[in-house]
Amino acid sequence: GAVVSQHPSWVICKSGTSVKIECRSLDFQATTMFWYRQFPKQSLMLMATSNEGSKATYEQGVEKDKFLINHASLTLSTLTVTSAHPEDSSFYICSARVVGGPSYNEQFFGPGTRLTVL
Amino acid sequence: RKEVEQDPGPFNVPEGATVAFNCTYSNSASQSFFWYRQDCRKEPKLLMSVYSSGNEDGRFTAQLNRASQYISLLIRDSKLSDSATYLCVVKAAGNKLTFGGGTRVLVKP
Repeated sequence: GAVVSQHPSWVICKSGTSVKIECRSLDFQATTMFWYRQFPKQSLMLMATSNEGSKATYEQGVEKDKFLINHASLTLSTLTVTSAHPEDSSFYICSARVVGGPSYNEQFFGPGTRLTVL
Repeated sequence: RKEVEQDPGPFNVPEGATVAFNCTYSNSASQSFFWYRQDCRKEPKLLMSVYSSGNEDGRFTAQLNRASQYISLLIRDSKLSDSATYLCVVKAAGNKLTFGGGTRVLVKP
């Protein structure tokens, strides 16, 4: 299947700093990528839908000024957690939607980024 | 009420036994249904889609009951490697996936 990578796989930062997470589709083009957050023992919650060349669509309750999303190319979306605080510590997972071929419309997930804010 | 609800478990299953669990969804307009598997500290991976007529993939059988708004997953001849959290995922119009909280399965020798 399609491969999605994320970088970094884990990051520890001080409170108040900003952290950028990259999501790349390695062997396909993704016009749409999704960003999820998963707290311990909870399920994945969709944060936003990232569309190439346009503004991201945020889910209710997700602050767009705190979680900046940029989808500048068909293979890369970035999520920047600005002024991170300990409550932002979570597992951030991206997915990319395949638009053609046998896996049409299936979402493939990246390996996730574990963020710890001290 | 959560959009997608699952029994969190854990379901402790002897190796070789059969285990089944359900997931209920609240949006009657839901169009697509999936079971994902998530191992600890890993990303979810698609296990199987769920079709209206029910479908089987090896030891895994999925069923959909639209009238009662639930889907089920049955695992036969459980293997130790089946230990994981199984996520019920529902998609309504558009491409937004809604995840259930997951059902944890522990297969023991």
